[in-house]
Amino acid sequence: QSVLTQPASVSGSPGQSITISCTGTSSDVGNYNFVSWYQQHPGKAPRLIIYEVSKRPSGISDRFSGSKSGNTASLTISGLQDEDEAVYSCCSHAGSHWVFGGGTRVTVL
Amino acid sequence: QVQLQESGPGLVKPSQTLALTCTVSGGSISSGPHHWSWIRQTAGKGLEWIGRIYIGGSTIYNPSLKSRVTISEDTSKNQFSLRLTSVTAADTAIYYCARGGSTLSFFHWGQGSLVTVSS
Repeated sequence: QSVLTQPASVSGSPGQSITISCTGTSSDVGNYNFVSWYQQHPGKAPRLIIYEVSKRPSGISDRFSGSKSGNTASLTISGLQDEDEAVYSCCSHAGSHWVFGGGTRVTVL
Repeated sequence: QVQLQESGPGLVKPSQTLALTCTVSGGSISSGPHHWSWIRQTAGKGLEWIGRIYIGGSTIYNPSLKSRVTISEDTSKNQFSLRLTSVTAADTAIYYCARGGSTLSFFHWGQGSLVTVSS
């Protein structure tokens, strides 16, 4: 099993907002502001969409936002679109290494 | 634009050594502050960070794999490589190479290389 805990699946209708949680410990998420999120479509490599908890790389829609409280980080997708249907994985630096969540499959109803 | 490409055998027998190479173009693996990682994805288990190599050859490995992993670099070819010994079926996965930076996130990824461990 993965080090960080994510829900297996989340769904929403077009236009709605959804939030994906990522729970770690005081050794990773809770101790570092180096949480990142990745979007992965079938057969494709992961794509960075959030870094340092809440920052977006150039070219990433502002419909994606990140936050953190204690040992739990969250990714919110607002104005859900068909193209957002993918697997989303969180990642945290943990001092000398990195740990990932198991991934959350987002379904657009 | 940095591009990474994994290469290596797609099939490895149990107990043997898995060996993959990542060829980097559009950037030098010898320049900081970037670091170069291997990450794998097993079916139904998500992503797992394997280890990384930094400028000068400094390495750090996932504690759970440390005893079996070696990451090395060939700066003359702008490549870095992964060796994983004593493989079992549990090591069957898509292996990605990726570039990280000062943000401690992975911005650039290779397309991935599927490695199956089977006799």
